[in-house]
Amino acid sequence: DIQMTQSPSSLSASVGDRVTITCQASQDISNYLNWYQQKLGKAPKVLIYDASNLETGVPSRFSGSGSGTDFTFTISSLQPEDIATYYCQQNDNLPLSFGQGTKLEIK
Amino acid sequence: QVQLQESGPGLVKPSQTLSLTCTVSGGSISSGSYYWSWIRQPAGKGLEWIGRIYTSGSTNYNPSLKSRVTISVDTSTNQFSLNLISVTAADTAVYYCARAGPSRSGTYSRWGQGTLVTVSS
Repeated sequence: DIQMTQSPSSLSASVGDRVTITCQASQDISNYLNWYQQKLGKAPKVLIYDASNLETGVPSRFSGSGSGTDFTFTISSLQPEDIATYYCQQNDNLPLSFGQGTKLEIK
Repeated sequence: QVQLQESGPGLVKPSQTLSLTCTVSGGSISSGSYYWSWIRQPAGKGLEWIGRIYTSGSTNYNPSLKSRVTISVDTSTNQFSLNLISVTAADTAVYYCARAGPSRSGTYSRWGQGTLVTVSS
C-alpha cells in the first residue's frame, strides 16, 4: 500500500498569507495526486487533481505542484473561508489512500 | 447535476452487519464509466477508502477490509450498497458514498453528505 505523509498536521496563518502544505508518497505516483478541502461537518471537496490541475469553479488562489513522490499545495492569499482540513490523496495504485490531513486555522 | 445520499441505521451492535445504501439522483447509475465508492472517516481522524464498484459491476476493496466488505449495485433503484460484516467499535465512523470518473478514475468529484454509524451495544 502507498503511504501518504502530509506536513504540517496543523497550521495557523493570517488572512492574506501564503500557505504551503506538503505531501510525500512512499513510492513514485507520477502525478496521480489530488487535493481535497474538508470543512467542518461537510464532505470533502476536490480542489486540485493530477497534482496541478484546478477543478472547475475552484478559486485560482489554490494551486498544486510536484510529481513522483513530493507534492506541494499552496494558497496564495489566505481567505477566512479557507478554514478547513486539507487532504492529499493518491490515485496511482489501489487501495487509494489519503494523507492524514492538515488543519488550517486563521490567526 | 448528480447527487448522492447515504441512508441506513445509525447504530449497529458489535459482531453484526453494517448495511448502508447510497441513492443516486440526477443521473443513471448504469450510464457512463463511473466508479461508485465508499469512504469512511472516524471522528477527528482521516479518510479511509473502503472500496468501489464500476459501472460494469466489477469491484475493488481495501485489503484491510476485504474479508468483511461487499459493495453491490441495484440499477433498478439507482442505488449502490455497502455491507460490512462482524463490526467492532473500530468501525464507528462517518461513511461517505462518492463518485469518481469517467476520465479520472480515482478523483472524487461527487460526494454524499455522509452518515454517522456508531457500533455499540
